[in-house]
Amino acid sequence: SQTIHQWPATLVQPVGSPLSLECTVEGTSNPNLYWYRQAAGRGLQLLFYSVGIGQISSEVPQNLSASRPQDRQFILSSKKLLLSDSGFYLCAFSGSSYEQYFGPGTRLTVT
Amino acid sequence: DQQVKQNSPSLSVQEGRISILNCDYTNSMFDYFLWYKKYPAEGPTFLISISSIKDKNEDGRFTVFLNKSAKHLSLHIVPSQPGDSAVYFCAAFFRSGGSNYKLTFGKGTLLTVNP
Repeated sequence: SQTIHQWPATLVQPVGSPLSLECTVEGTSNPNLYWYRQAAGRGLQLLFYSVGIGQISSEVPQNLSASRPQDRQFILSSKKLLLSDSGFYLCAFSGSSYEQYFGPGTRLTVT
Repeated sequence: DQQVKQNSPSLSVQEGRISILNCDYTNSMFDYFLWYKKYPAEGPTFLISISSIKDKNEDGRFTVFLNKSAKHLSLHIVPSQPGDSAVYFCAAFFRSGGSNYKLTFGKGTLLTVNP
């Protein structure tokens, strides 16, 4: 069966520190991968998506970047975190259909 | 420009009654519409979807209705149960070419089902 993993589950980081969030998918090949952010009290904002290894599309200009070093691995990074980067980060994947399946999320608090 | 709108941030219903969650959209190119359910501190889970060529899709207690002329869809939950209390997101999709399936989400509606 298809599963998606994200870690860490929670993270508290000081302003200016780097960030690396990892997402891996099992049970499927060549998935489309997505990073979303849910800010407090708001909807889901698509940050990045990838249709293949090394292929990253950015949806909004920001302090974050994404990479896909392997077929089923998606990484969200930042060199220097801002207070506004706090939020709930979600990784998702889709296969041949339009349905996306989400991971458990990472709660990031920038202090 | 918000292409998918959920104008009710919250909804409260009694257990056993019907819950109706509404969603409006502006882009007539959307091919599919989906509903997701999200508990706090968890990822959204897929509930039900509907193709733009249909006007109704039913799965157990969940039914989604689509009115293309009004650019409106709704999710009906009958009967509502306390475990249905969650945030419900409406999402829409159109195939813009290639394999980049992108969903556009509404801001969500918090449903509270009271025992």
